[in-house]
Amino acid sequence: QVQLVESGGGVVQPGRSLRLSCAASGFTFSSHGMHWVRQAPGKGLEWVAVIWYDGSNQFYADSVKGRFTVSRDNSRNTLYLQMNSLRADDTAVYYCARVSPPYDILTGYPDYWGQGTLVTVSS
Amino acid sequence: SYVLTQPPSESVAPGQTARITCGGNNIGSKRVHWYQHKPGQAPVLVVYDDSGRPSGIPERFYGSNSGDTATLTISRVDAGDEADYYCQVWESKNDHWVFGGGTKLTVL
Repeated sequence: QVQLVESGGGVVQPGRSLRLSCAASGFTFSSHGMHWVRQAPGKGLEWVAVIWYDGSNQFYADSVKGRFTVSRDNSRNTLYLQMNSLRADDTAVYYCARVSPPYDILTGYPDYWGQGTLVTVSS
Repeated sequence: SYVLTQPPSESVAPGQTARITCGGNNIGSKRVHWYQHKPGQAPVLVVYDDSGRPSGIPERFYGSNSGDTATLTISRVDAGDEADYYCQVWESKNDHWVFGGGTKLTVL
């Protein structure tokens, strides 16, 4: 079955960097776009970034543009989120999610989500 | 930027029908997706493309979308439906995915 497992979260000081990973299994990873979505403590879901199935295109939320980079390694079935210049308001649980249908990014929808990994930005 | 407005909370008695709204400018022209999110768990897609139902989601979950309002309807509500519910669309003007603020559904 479809599985998405995030890792790499932890406590980091403001201004530092962190890289999250999302290991995918149970489906053809290279056929699906992937999202990162986060949820700050006590807040709602916030979209962070999306990447095309082949890595050819990425879009970012205004709040992270220029600081975060989404990438993927289809040979390793793994999605990444490189987070630089972290701020306190980046503290959140970060989820990866698969886009369906395959190859359909702009009109697709996140249909499977991981359990999330917690990132805490604090001095 | 495009804004989706949801009521912060809704309450319903067991066995009754819950209706959760999602307001947005001409949202009827967009495809709306709905997610159920319980604390400590991964969000679950319950409705896609306004009214599609993923496999494994009960027929009690139903979506509609017209004009400036999309609605998630949950019939015969039970305690297991208690969760936060989010609507989501793709905003083509800015190439952003947008979530509503979420509605906490309480089963009385």
